[in-house]
Amino acid sequence: DIQMTQSPSSMSASVGDRVTITCRASHDISGWLAWYQQKPGKAPKLLIYAASSSKSGVPSRFSGRGSGTQYTLTINNLQPEDFATYYCQQGNTFPMTFGQGTRLEVK
Amino acid sequence: QVQLQESGPGLVTPSETLTLTCTVSGDSLSPYYWNWLRQSPGKGLEWLGFMFYTGSTKYNPSFSSRVTISMDTSKNQISLKMGSMTGADTAVYFCARSVTGTTNVAFNSWSPGTLVTVSS
Repeated sequence: DIQMTQSPSSMSASVGDRVTITCRASHDISGWLAWYQQKPGKAPKLLIYAASSSKSGVPSRFSGRGSGTQYTLTINNLQPEDFATYYCQQGNTFPMTFGQGTRLEVK
Repeated sequence: QVQLQESGPGLVTPSETLTLTCTVSGDSLSPYYWNWLRQSPGKGLEWLGFMFYTGSTKYNPSFSSRVTISMDTSKNQISLKMGSMTGADTAVYFCARSVTGTTNVAFNSWSPGTLVTVSS
């Protein structure tokens, strides 16, 4: 299975900050990388797929980029509703696998 | 706006078979991939398998010997059966739809999730 490693595992930030979360795959996943946001007790919500394509309705402050084995999710101008846990997921090779999550907390 | 809702037991006895049903409203099963996933504190998010609207399936090898996904198009439902349940299978289970109908690379719409506890 392809291992997905996120960094950092947790971080704290303030409203208005810019934050970047990194996801590294154990093998080249050819850009098939998705990002999700999850709040406690809720299902994950898709933000980005195919590394940089935003799901319709997702605020433009969320952006993704990357290729090969290295990918990033950037949140510009952090809003109160953005404090949550973020997961990356590779869709290139079965079985599809997820990162362990990055918990974004209020500083 | 498609909506997904699981139904099934919240408690399963060890060694028994879990059956969950995901009812889809607001859209057809066609032409998407329909997935089952689960989440536990110890293992995180795990993809269990999918069924394409045509009926083809693919399973995570870690679960393929005991997982079956089926579909009832007349009821707009997808079902998951997982046998030989143990405490390690205690998790929140989700059904989710693929982001497109051509590839199953990400999960666009999710059910709320149902906690399944395996205990005697």
